[in-house]
Amino acid sequence: GQNIDQPTEMTATEGAIVQINCTYQTSGFNGLFWYQQHAGEAPTFLSYNVLDGLEEKGRFSSFLSRSKGYSYLLLKELQMKDSASYLCAVRDYTDGATNKLIFGTGTLLAVQP
Amino acid sequence: DTGVSQDPRHKITKRGQNVTFRCDPISEHNRLYWYRQTLGQGPEFLTYFQNEAQLEKSRLLSDRFSAERPKGSFSTLEIQRTEQGDSAMYLCASSPPSGGNFNEQFFGPGTRLTVL
Repeated sequence: GQNIDQPTEMTATEGAIVQINCTYQTSGFNGLFWYQQHAGEAPTFLSYNVLDGLEEKGRFSSFLSRSKGYSYLLLKELQMKDSASYLCAVRDYTDGATNKLIFGTGTLLAVQP
Repeated sequence: DTGVSQDPRHKITKRGQNVTFRCDPISEHNRLYWYRQTLGQGPEFLTYFQNEAQLEKSRLLSDRFSAERPKGSFSTLEIQRTEQGDSAMYLCASSPPSGGNFNEQFFGPGTRLTVL
């Protein structure tokens, strides 16, 4: 089957660093995405990993270990506007699917002053 | 604005009524997806089109749901005989023709459906 786990909520302080973990189980892994979603808005793309290692993009970095079924999103120099839900999603080729994303429930991050 | 657009943004309907939503993808994108999202959950995949062909349909999609993309551009999602459990945000996303493994999906603002 397919399963994606991430913490439900996290709290961090403005200016700090926070790491949001995601573990997944899937038989047809073909890439992992992180999306940011503010309340009432559409998800917006943050990062993509398909090979093991770290991808850095400004204040945001994402790491993937395929052998461990594990990823994390690292947010540095937190700002109040980073308060949002962070969605981990796996692109899965199981059952002949070619492009669908399987999302976790999202991690609601609250950044406090 | 050249992003994905959806119409209407909000829909309130009574149980048993039919509703139809529209999605206009980014113009060069031949791939289109529908997802459903309820409060506190991540989006759940519903269906996928490549051009006008519906290539995949989730088992979550009961026979009351139907989606079309007749000319390979905009798409419609219809729900017949709505039930209160259909209340959710319906998200549309599009992505460009395959050019490697990346293929990011761009999401529209969603249609929030409330079934009374």
